[in-house]
Amino acid sequence: AQSVSQHNHHVILSEAASLELGCNYSYGGTVNLFWYVQYPGQHLQLLLKYFSGDPLVKGIKGFEAEFIKSKFSFNLRKPSVQWSDTAEYFCAVNAPGTYKYIFGTGTRLKVLA
Amino acid sequence: DGGITQSPKYLFRKEGQNVTLSCEQNLNHDAMYWYRQDPGQGLRLIYYSQIVNDFQKGDIAEGYSVSREKKESFPLTVTSAQKNPTAFYLCAIEGFTGELFFGEGSRLTVL
Repeated sequence: AQSVSQHNHHVILSEAASLELGCNYSYGGTVNLFWYVQYPGQHLQLLLKYFSGDPLVKGIKGFEAEFIKSKFSFNLRKPSVQWSDTAEYFCAVNAPGTYKYIFGTGTRLKVLA
Repeated sequence: DGGITQSPKYLFRKEGQNVTLSCEQNLNHDAMYWYRQDPGQGLRLIYYSQIVNDFQKGDIAEGYSVSREKKESFPLTVTSAQKNPTAFYLCAIEGFTGELFFGEGSRLTVL
């Protein structure tokens, strides 16, 4: 069965610090990978996605993620965070051609001004 | 996404009562989903539907029921058999490019 692990449950950073959130998945076949963000009081939004091709994916608001197949990882990065990045971040995986999307438990990021 | 409407936004229920959460979409998408979000547990799949008149159980379907009589509607009923129904419920549709779009959610509290 597919599963997704996000090992960092809570992260606190100061503005301008660099961010890396871990995401590992367990599935032996081809996968589609996603990062979603939930800002306080708002609905879940897609940050970026990986289906195939260049393993370094750029998303909105300066976020990027790198797919490392050998490590079953899809870590989210941002070189310099802002206070407005305070949110909860979810990694998700989907096997192409299936309708099941599996989410990780989320990482709450707090950025101090 | 503006094309997905969940209602009500907040709902209070007494123990033993069934409640139905509405999810409507006007984007003409086939696949619709219900997730439950609890603090520290992420999103867990309750049910999903690929087409009208067809739906599949997700990982935590016990105590829930759904219907898909119309393409645009996928209501979720939280039955009295659900032992811990207090949660945030999210409806989603699968976009044409393979990602999920979410509604604003319904927060259910059991008194």
